[in-house]
Amino acid sequence: GDSVTQMEGPVTLSEEAFLTINCTYTATGYPSLFWYVQYPGEGLQLLLKATKADDKGSNKGFEATYRKETTSFHLEKGSVQVSDSAVYFCALSDRSNDMRFGAGTRLTVKP
Amino acid sequence: EAGVAQSPRYKIIEKRQSVAFWCNPISGHATLYWYQQILGQGPKLLIQFQNNGVVDDSQLPKDRFSAERLKGVDSTLKIQPAKLEDSAVYLCASSLTRNTDTQYFGPGTRLTVL
Repeated sequence: GDSVTQMEGPVTLSEEAFLTINCTYTATGYPSLFWYVQYPGEGLQLLLKATKADDKGSNKGFEATYRKETTSFHLEKGSVQVSDSAVYFCALSDRSNDMRFGAGTRLTVKP
Repeated sequence: EAGVAQSPRYKIIEKRQSVAFWCNPISGHATLYWYQQILGQGPKLLIQFQNNGVVDDSQLPKDRFSAERLKGVDSTLKIQPAKLEDSAVYLCASSLTRNTDTQYFGPGTRLTVL
């Protein structure tokens, strides 16, 4: 079945460093792709999404591009802040909105 | 706009006891989801409702888990009897329709089974 594999963590960066969290997917159709973020003590929040190949999702300085040829949706940010410390989940959903999540990557940003 | 509400936020029970979780989705959202998130893993879908009907419960352990959404709004997820491996965060989410791909999540209920 459809699945998502994302980079294992934890990831520790210094403030203003460049961030990449890798995500690849396996799907029989053409899923929508998502990044969700979970801040400490809070629920999952949608960070960005892309619904078709070559779409770029962006929000709060984060970006991810839907790459059909490499089945990837890597998350990037040019300069991370302490407030970006959280757990990041890559996910896909098919037409029935059956959401499949990766295992999550914990990011810690140090001042 | 109010978000997805869940209660309780935390629950500790002993194995073989029963427990129930409550979810109130965003107003007007027809589709409601329950997920189980075990520590260190991503959320796993348990059941999906469209209004008051079950759309997908293929991953719900039906021998001990049950869920209902009688009036197509609030939903309750029950575990009876609980096992140690049920310790997890139970997340409720909702979306406008089944084909609207953005799901909005509640804060979750953290269940510990001793």
